[in-house]
Amino acid sequence: NAGVTQTPKFQVLKTGQSMTLQCAQDMNHEYMSWYRQDPGMGLRLIHYSVGAGITDQGEVPNGYNVSRSTTEDFPLRLLSAAPSQTSVYFCASSSPQRGGLLTDTQYFGPGTRLTVL
Amino acid sequence: AQKITQTQPGMFVQEKEAVTLDCTYDTSDPSYGLFWYKQPSSGEMIFLIYQGSYDQQNATEGRYSLNFQKARKSANLVISASQLGDSAMYFCAMREGVVKVFGAGTRLFVKA
Repeated sequence: NAGVTQTPKFQVLKTGQSMTLQCAQDMNHEYMSWYRQDPGMGLRLIHYSVGAGITDQGEVPNGYNVSRSTTEDFPLRLLSAAPSQTSVYFCASSSPQRGGLLTDTQYFGPGTRLTVL
Repeated sequence: AQKITQTQPGMFVQEKEAVTLDCTYDTSDPSYGLFWYKQPSSGEMIFLIYQGSYDQQNATEGRYSLNFQKARKSANLVISASQLGDSAMYFCAMREGVVKVFGAGTRLFVKA
């Protein structure tokens, strides 16, 4: 049981390049989310999904696309990288427990450190 | 407007003493969940404790307890008997519906 895995761990891009950050979970969780963490700040939600085929925007969605074709995978695409997207990206998954949505415990991946030059 | 406010950018505590990390939140939804996470220098996010808005008792998990004051909209984390390994960033978060919002964090330093 690997939990939540993210690849790559580190990435350097040039402005204008595109790339996909991979996220996978093997816990059969319905909910998956992408966050970015900038220095000295908490996590900000980029996009999230409540199930396969369903995605929605979070707080800071501009410049990113997501898709959820399977329960396990939730890739994050940077369409045209900008220096402002330099950050650490976390993927998380969770499943509603006894009380429903509010009681879920999120499991986080190890993060991807992205630098855009 | 800030949904989650953590007013202490950094805190020091002596080993074996207790420490309280502050968190206030803002919501008009009567149904919400409050969470605390620890982020050590290695970078991973570790879930510590959860409090539901309808829970009558304060949540406890080992050395962690959550001092939930609903009328004040505060959800402070209390760590008892601090250990050197508790040195880390601590984030308070609130879930409304499917979206979870995080505070800016408090860095805790435990002194030997």
